[in-house]
Amino acid sequence: GQSLEQPSEVTAVEGAIVQINCTYQTSGFYGLSWYQQHDGGAPTFLSYNALDGLEETGRFSSFLSRSDSYGYLLLQELQMKDSASYFCAVPDRGYNKLIFGAGTRLAVHP
Amino acid sequence: NAGVTQTPKFQVLKTGQSMTLQCAQDMNHEYMSWYRQDPGMGLRLIHYSVGAGITDQGEVPNGYNVSRSTTEDFPLRLLSAAPSQTSVYFCASRTQGAGETQYFGPGTRLLVL
Repeated sequence: GQSLEQPSEVTAVEGAIVQINCTYQTSGFYGLSWYQQHDGGAPTFLSYNALDGLEETGRFSSFLSRSDSYGYLLLQELQMKDSASYFCAVPDRGYNKLIFGAGTRLAVHP
Repeated sequence: NAGVTQTPKFQVLKTGQSMTLQCAQDMNHEYMSWYRQDPGMGLRLIHYSVGAGITDQGEVPNGYNVSRSTTEDFPLRLLSAAPSQTSVYFCASRTQGAGETQYFGPGTRLLVL
């Protein structure tokens, strides 16, 4: 099976940089995804890493280390609108289903 | 494209009642899933489908049934509602592939009294 661990909460100030970590245990590894969810909304896709290294998309970057079973989401130049929950997720063997972590709630303060 | 749609948006049930949560997608995605989200918790997979006529159980399937008669529709049935099923339910769809984006519907907020 799969299990993922993330910190439950992170706080930061506007303009800062924050890193949200995710460690995983899987019977096979097929990539790590990140999703964002604002209060009252639905999750939306942010990024996907299949190989080691950093993937950058604007202010957001995602990193993966397969040897450490670890990844993180890096948010730069934080804005108030970045206050949301962030979930890491992994597909199972065969990519039939996507399993999510419990999520990290990010609060951005002025 | 409407994407993934869910109805109803809100529902209040009494213990023991049954109901069906509707989900439809117009992106011709093979894979569809149902998740429940409880306050402060992540998304837990209830059931999923990899194509019409094919469904399987997720992490928390008890008390729920699904069917997939068409590619577009994936309804979730609560057989006999219990207060423990009070939650927000999300339907999602995607194409096959480890890195494929999963698209979520807006959710159904269910309260069981």
